[in-house]
Amino acid sequence: GENVEQHPSTLSVQEGDSAVIKCTYSDSASNYFPWYKQELGKRPQLIIDIRSNVGEKKDQRIAVTLNKTAKHFSLHITETQPEDSAVYFCAASRSGGSYIPTFGRGTSLIVHP
Amino acid sequence: GAGVSQSPSNKVTEKGKDVELRCDPISGHTALYWYRQSLGQGLEFLIYFQGNSAPDKSGLPSDRFSAERTGGSVSTLTIQRTQQEDSAVYLCASSLAISSSYEQYFGPGTRLTVT
Repeated sequence: GENVEQHPSTLSVQEGDSAVIKCTYSDSASNYFPWYKQELGKRPQLIIDIRSNVGEKKDQRIAVTLNKTAKHFSLHITETQPEDSAVYFCAASRSGGSYIPTFGRGTSLIVHP
Repeated sequence: GAGVSQSPSNKVTEKGKDVELRCDPISGHTALYWYRQSLGQGLEFLIYFQGNSAPDKSGLPSDRFSAERTGGSVSTLTIQRTQQEDSAVYLCASSLAISSSYEQYFGPGTRLTVT
């Protein structure tokens, strides 16, 4: 089955700095990679996703890159703000049939004002 | 529109008792998932329902755990003879799970405490 590794487990940055979270996956057939943000005491919510037919996707201050050859993908947050503080989860899955994403263990991002 | 709802929001039970947790998915979502999240930990997959197909129970940690989904909508997760290690937040999610949208919509969770 799929195995997703996520690093770092904790990331502390100053407001305005950039933050990068990295994930690797094992199943070369995986082709859909979502990122979820979970604020303290709240439910996870999708913030961005990428499919295997593109190498990069941006949405304002958030971007995700995918390297299929190396089987890794990363979340980039620029100009971080205190409200970006949360736990971020990456996931990998195959589309079609049973859609059961495999999640990474999460990265706790702390943005200091 | 209405999102995924779960009840109860909090449940405190004594070791050895049975508990039932309920999930109401978004209307029209054919896929439904249960996850367990221990304090400060990741999302542990428990079970997956998709339409009328047999559920994928590969994540259930023991035979004390079971789940059903009636009429393709509401789901109930049952934990029998609860143990202290069952204490966690139980999250439900639903999804259209089609090529145009795999986004999972999570409920607020049920915080289970076994004393």
